Amino acid sequence: GAGVSQSPSNKVTEKGKDVELRCDPISGHTALYWYRQRLGQGLEFLIYFQGNSAPDKSGLPSDRFSAERTGESVSTLTIQRTQQEDSAVYLCASSLGMGRQGVYEQYFGPGTRLTVT
Amino acid sequence: AQSVAQPEDQVNVAEGNPLTVKCTYSVSGNPYLFWYVQYPNRGLQFLLKYITGDNLVKGSYGFEAEFNKSQTSFHLKKPSALVSDSALYFCAVRDRYSGYALNFGKGTSLLVTP
Repeated sequence: GAGVSQSPSNKVTEKGKDVELRCDPISGHTALYWYRQRLGQGLEFLIYFQGNSAPDKSGLPSDRFSAERTGESVSTLTIQRTQQEDSAVYLCASSLGMGRQGVYEQYFGPGTRLTVT
Repeated sequence: AQSVAQPEDQVNVAEGNPLTVKCTYSVSGNPYLFWYVQYPNRGLQFLLKYITGDNLVKGSYGFEAEFNKSQTSFHLKKPSALVSDSALYFCAVRDRYSGYALNFGKGTSLLVTP
């Protein structure tokens, strides 16, 4: 079946502009995650959505970052007034929701490489 | 607080030799532990996970990992490395009680030479 898809694959933007990144999770996955991967670094958690629950926004680095999710489908990550330090690969992942069966692994999309000039 | 350490930035192994990629973790409770692999220009792929039970976990592509609670380690191993195993490997941890996001290590680059 189709995996997690993200668009665009690459985005170059000027400092100060707003950008929107899109994620299409695997069908049926109720949980969706956004991470950021800076060059040579591990992944930093940004935000988590689970079903209709309030999202966990604890990883968002500033109020310039926000994300929305429509039901259990598409999510968009918006970065306002981009800064050069926002340059990174933004990864989206989805998983089955938490259940009595245990912990479900996350499936990652290919990422969006954001370059802020 | 939870954290993961991958002490080696790079591991070099000859094809056919066993490989080990190290990972240690710190969580306040019992951990959920994961290994992911990232091939060039591709997304992260799940390899294996430890939730509970047997300390030796087997995963995709012949990889396995051993959970060692006393040493707080979860090293990734493979008995015989392939050139195609060359990639970036990430260890990740999640505390059972503090949210659902994974805390990733910085990654270890594995290079398998012919």
